[in-house]
Amino acid sequence: RKEVEQDPGPFNVPEGATVAFNCTYSNSASQSFFWYRQDCRKEPKLLMSVYSSGNEDGRFTAQLNRASQYISLLIRDSKLSDSATYLCVVNIDRGSTLGRLYFGRGTQLTVWP
Amino acid sequence: DGGITQSPKYLFRKEGQNVTLSCEQNLNHDAMYWYRQDPGQGLRLIYYSQIVNDFQKGDIAEGYSVSREKKESFPLTVTSAQKNPTAFYLCASSALDRANYGYTFGSGTRLTVV
Repeated sequence: RKEVEQDPGPFNVPEGATVAFNCTYSNSASQSFFWYRQDCRKEPKLLMSVYSSGNEDGRFTAQLNRASQYISLLIRDSKLSDSATYLCVVNIDRGSTLGRLYFGRGTQLTVWP
Repeated sequence: DGGITQSPKYLFRKEGQNVTLSCEQNLNHDAMYWYRQDPGQGLRLIYYSQIVNDFQKGDIAEGYSVSREKKESFPLTVTSAQKNPTAFYLCASSALDRANYGYTFGSGTRLTVV
């Protein structure tokens, strides 16, 4: 079973729409959670960290449900520039040493005019 | 400005050749990583290093080798033993700080076997 599972999409939405991505992780020892954005043929870039209390950055809201091992990303008022692949990322802390990050395969979003 | 630099951006390799991909960072990060990405696939970990002169195999280390002689540098060699090396290679670094643990990626190297 993969450490991080995401719906690959694609999601095709009009400008101004609200879109939500979901992600599940398999290891309850996971400690840190992130959403990364990857544009076509570019490197991934950190979009936002995800905290237990939920957090918001402008039009983007991330939520974490530890009991269900579930992470979400909500994008409101979609812009054309939001078109990209969104990667769900989880760190599994190995006790005395920080573990590595595990990446989901990504969810592709296309926003059309 | 601090960052992580990969070179070259594009690399063509003949079958049977070894090639080395460069990765340099000036972020003073302790940990460095190499990932491979194939079209439509997620990132797969090749090797990682959390301290100078030490590194660990990731999920797909066969056919690859690395070294970590300096904190700033983590070159990846793709050997002739790697049967399907055509891919997008990404290097990343991170501070080993639980309060702020995220990766910074380089811009990647596209390797093509010709």
